[in-house]
Amino acid sequence: GAGVSQSPSNKVTEKGKDVELRCDPISGHTALYWYRQRLGQGLEFLIYFQGNSAPDKSGLPSDRFSAERTGESVSTLTIQRTQQEDSAVYLCASSLALAVINEQFFGPGTRLTVL
Amino acid sequence: GQQLNQSPQSMFIQEGEDVSMNCTSSSIFNTWLWYKQDPGEGPVLLIALYKAGELTSNGRLTAQFGITRKDSFLNISASIPSDVGIYFCAGQPSGGSNYKLTFGKGTLLTVNP
Repeated sequence: GAGVSQSPSNKVTEKGKDVELRCDPISGHTALYWYRQRLGQGLEFLIYFQGNSAPDKSGLPSDRFSAERTGESVSTLTIQRTQQEDSAVYLCASSLALAVINEQFFGPGTRLTVL
Repeated sequence: GQQLNQSPQSMFIQEGEDVSMNCTSSSIFNTWLWYKQDPGEGPVLLIALYKAGELTSNGRLTAQFGITRKDSFLNISASIPSDVGIYFCAGQPSGGSNYKLTFGKGTLLTVNP
């Protein structure tokens, strides 16, 4: 079946603008995760969803970052008033259930460049 | 937060050679995972390790969960050009949430045909 998809694949924006990044998880996966990957770095955990709920938002870098999920499906990561330090690849992953033992399947990511 | 030290940062090898990379931590981990990331793609899980001392193979790949629970290694035997990519270790720290993974910074592997 289809894997995790993300859109857009690339986004170039000006400093101060808002951006929305979209993730379509694998159908039936209840858990969804967002990560940030800076150049030459490992993946940095941002937030997870169990169903439509995000109980732990402590990984979000600042209050400019927010995320939501609807219909236990699509998720949107919003970054307000973007800064150059927000430039990175944003990866989404989904898994059958919320636990490390369940394999996380990653999307191809959205490469965000803030000028 | 938790830190994983992954080494080497990069490797340049000839096709057919064996490769070894490792991750270490100052604290105990319950789970170790190894991922590979191709350019423009998300990471793909290669091997998962859930028990100290566990040695698991997946084709030409072999990984081990260190006895101390503070390290893991990944070996690739008889490398081929398609092994090129970035390899990440990831782990679930002991006492941490059962869904959060800590990632190493990756090992960039280049294979010369």
